[in-house]
Amino acid sequence: GQQLNQSPQSMFIQEGEDVSMNCTSSSIFNTWLWYKQDPGEGPVLLIALYKAGELTSNGRLTAQFGITRKDSFLNISASIPSDVGIYFCAGQLPGKLIFGQGTTLQVKP
Amino acid sequence: EPEVTQTPSHQVTQMGQEVILRCVPISNHLYFYWYRQILGQKVEFLVSFYNNEISEKSEIFDDQFSVERPDGSNFTLKIRSTKLEDSAMYFCASTGTVFEVYGYTFGSGTRLTVV
Repeated sequence: GQQLNQSPQSMFIQEGEDVSMNCTSSSIFNTWLWYKQDPGEGPVLLIALYKAGELTSNGRLTAQFGITRKDSFLNISASIPSDVGIYFCAGQLPGKLIFGQGTTLQVKP
Repeated sequence: EPEVTQTPSHQVTQMGQEVILRCVPISNHLYFYWYRQILGQKVEFLVSFYNNEISEKSEIFDDQFSVERPDGSNFTLKIRSTKLEDSAMYFCASTGTVFEVYGYTFGSGTRLTVV
């Protein structure tokens, strides 16, 4: 089945630093998503990517959909303590989402 | 903003017991989903439900699992005879259409602990 490989598994950074994480897949997805999950909560959508090569921003977050439709990266600029959480990439198929393993981000004030 | 509501937030059950997890999807949504997240692992698709039928289910969703929409508002996941490995967070989600992205709303989850 489809699998998404996400890296790094975890990151521990200083407040103010920029962060980058990426995701690759063996399969093509037409829509690629980035979610954030806070402890004890469900995933919340951050950014959705629809077109190969698309670069999309949402505040301090920027994500790009790879030209091959098999990869994506998410950048967070000038990190703040509330960026702490688990970030998941996900590929959308009709009616369901396939998630990556997640990147756990910790930010030191 | 419309929410997907799940109850209970935490359920502890003995191995072999039946458990029902409840969800109230967003009122005008038509597609309903259950996902599972074992502690420290990724979120995994279990099942999708539309028009009172299962649309798709994963390999995880075996005969011990069932879903139901008993009335116009609730969507339930039943595990007939729980196993230790069923311990996980279970998330309900709903959408208006099968291709919807921004409206794909997850609940806060039910943490199921099987002892």
